[in-house]
Amino acid sequence: RKEVEQDPGPFNVPEGATVAFNCTYSNSASQSFFWYRQDCRKEPKLLMSVYSSGNEDGRFTAQLNRASQYISLLIRDSKLSDSATYLCVVTSFQKLVFGTGTRLLVSP
Amino acid sequence: EAEVAQSPRYKITEKSQAVAFWCDPISGHATLYWYRQILGQGPELLVQFQDESVVDDSQLPKDRFSAERLKGVDSTLKIQPAELGDSAMYLCASSPRDSSYEQYFGPGTRLTVT
Repeated sequence: RKEVEQDPGPFNVPEGATVAFNCTYSNSASQSFFWYRQDCRKEPKLLMSVYSSGNEDGRFTAQLNRASQYISLLIRDSKLSDSATYLCVVTSFQKLVFGTGTRLLVSP
Repeated sequence: EAEVAQSPRYKITEKSQAVAFWCDPISGHATLYWYRQILGQGPELLVQFQDESVVDDSQLPKDRFSAERLKGVDSTLKIQPAELGDSAMYLCASSPRDSSYEQYFGPGTRLTVT
C-alpha cells in the first residue's frame, strides 16, 4: 500500500465549477500536511499547508481529518489557470512523502 | 526572487553511459534534496544533505548513483552506468536550516536513457 494515496483523475470541470480532491495517508504519526501544485513538465510548488482546524486561501480550502487520515482540497470558481496536477504531501519520519497527484483540467 | 538552479535542463544519454546533474540551492539554505519523479508519479526522495553531510540516502541506488555536496553549497548527482529505467525528471530542492518542510524546487533535469 502506498503511503499517500490519491485518485489520479483527470478531473474535467467547466470554468466556474467547484471541485474537490481527496487524499489518504497511512502513517498515523505524520504531523505536517501540504498541497503542492505541479504544472505540466514544471517543478512542484507549494500551494498551501493544511492545518487541523482547516484553512482557506482565496478560492482554495484545505481540510484535515486526523482520525480518518484524510486530507482534502476544495477549489471554488475554477479558472482555466487552475489546470494542473495537485500533489498531496505528508511528512513521514521527517521526510516529505508525495502522492502521485490528481490531474485537474478546467475547460472553457 | 531567489531560485534553485539546475543544469542541464534536458539530457539524452545511451544506456551504460555516465551522466551528471548539477544543483545550486537558494543562497543560505542549509538543506538540499535530490528527488526522482517518474512520469505519472510523485517525486521520491533520493538523498538529503544538511550542509555537506548526507542525512538520508536510504533510497539512493548506491551501486550506480552517487551524490556529493563538498562545500555545503552546490551539489552533483551522478549516475554510472545509466539504465533505461533511470529515465525520469530529477528535481533538486532546498530548504532553510530550521524549516525542512518549506522546500523550494528547481526546474529539474529531464533525463532520457536510450
